[in-house]
Amino acid sequence: RKEVEQDPGPFNVPEGATVAFNCTYSNSASQSFFWYRQDCRKEPKLLMSVYSSGNEDGRFTAQLNRASQYISLLIRDSKLSDSATYLCVVPTGNQFYFGTGTSLTVIP
Amino acid sequence: DVKVTQSSRYLVKRTGEKVFLECVQDMDHENMFWYRQDPGLGLRLIYFSYDVKMKEKGDIPEGYSVSREKKERFSLILESASTNQTSMYLCASSPLKRAGVGRYNEQFFGPGTRLTVL
Repeated sequence: RKEVEQDPGPFNVPEGATVAFNCTYSNSASQSFFWYRQDCRKEPKLLMSVYSSGNEDGRFTAQLNRASQYISLLIRDSKLSDSATYLCVVPTGNQFYFGTGTSLTVIP
Repeated sequence: DVKVTQSSRYLVKRTGEKVFLECVQDMDHENMFWYRQDPGLGLRLIYFSYDVKMKEKGDIPEGYSVSREKKERFSLILESASTNQTSMYLCASSPLKRAGVGRYNEQFFGPGTRLTVL
């Protein structure tokens, strides 16, 4: 089983829609979680850190479900500029484990 | 503002050449990492380092070596480049773990080096 798994998508949603991505992780002891955003041919950039049950930043909300070992990212009122790949990252031991990413395209 | 720089954005090399990829960070971070990113496979860890002259193998170290002579600089070396090493190479750095069991700081990435081996 992979350390971190994501639905690769692609998710194609209209502007203004709400969209949610899930990320499952295998290590039940994990306590830190990150969502990164990666634009085409660019480096990943931190979108949100989660150290407890969840985090909210404007239109973006991350929620952690420890019992089911998944973390979700909710984007409300999608903008064209939200089109990107979203990476889930779960550090374990000495390493950071990355999901393969979920592709989002927001359509006018 | 954290800055991680990589020596080249694009690089083209021939099979069998020795290739050096340099990464420099300016925030005094203890941890530095080298990843490669390929379509459908995500980011895979090649090597990481938690201190000067210290290195640990990641998931795919074969065909690579690293050097960390100074805290701010972490170099990735392809001893004899092969076509299957054509990829995007990303360097990252992060501070030491946060206080508290299991707490980690986020990683900061450089812009990447797109390496093509012919």
